[in-house]
Amino acid sequence: KQEVTQIPAALSVPEGENLVLNCSFTDSAIYNLQWFRQDPGKGLTSLLLIQSSQREQTSGRLNASLDKSSGRSTLYIAASQPGDSATYLCAVLLTGGGNKLTFGTGTQLKVEL
Amino acid sequence: KAGVTQTPRYLIKTRGQQVTLSCSPISGHRSVSWYQQTPGQGLQFLFEYFSETQRNKGNFPGRFSGRQFSNSRSEMNVSTLELGDSALYLCASSLEVGAASGNTIYFGEGSWLTVV
Repeated sequence: KQEVTQIPAALSVPEGENLVLNCSFTDSAIYNLQWFRQDPGKGLTSLLLIQSSQREQTSGRLNASLDKSSGRSTLYIAASQPGDSATYLCAVLLTGGGNKLTFGTGTQLKVEL
Repeated sequence: KAGVTQTPRYLIKTRGQQVTLSCSPISGHRSVSWYQQTPGQGLQFLFEYFSETQRNKGNFPGRFSGRQFSNSRSEMNVSTLELGDSALYLCASSLEVGAASGNTIYFGEGSWLTVV
């Protein structure tokens, strides 16, 4: 059974800092890994998708990497801003699992002025 | 283009009642999935539909059911509501299934269900 873990569970940083969020998964037979952001009381916003054949994806200040063999992904946020405060979730799509996403436990990020 | 639309956004029901939640996927998307989010259990997969067929089902009791219509819109139903069913119910849509075309999955804003 696929298990997805995110470390740390919560993080508080001053504005402007670069930070790394970690995601690990137990079953490397994945199609892709997706990073989402969730603001309080809201749905999920897709940030980045990395296909299993890719090593990283970039969008603006966000960079996500994937090491399938070791079962790890990282989300790097450059020059953090208060507007980045949210919960960040990673989710994997398993081979043969249709569109069923298995989610991590999430990292609650707070960027302070 | 419009995103995933879920209705209603908020609702309060009494134990024992039943509820129907609706989801309209992004135009052209044929895959619709449903998830339950609670503080204690996180995000848990309920079921997935593609072209009106249920492809996958999560580990939930039979009180939870769903369907997809020919226009890809989907509904989920929970019968005999229990207090523990209080949660945010999220709908997700994508163009295809699995690895096809990168297959980004998009979520709606969710339906907040409170059972009293």
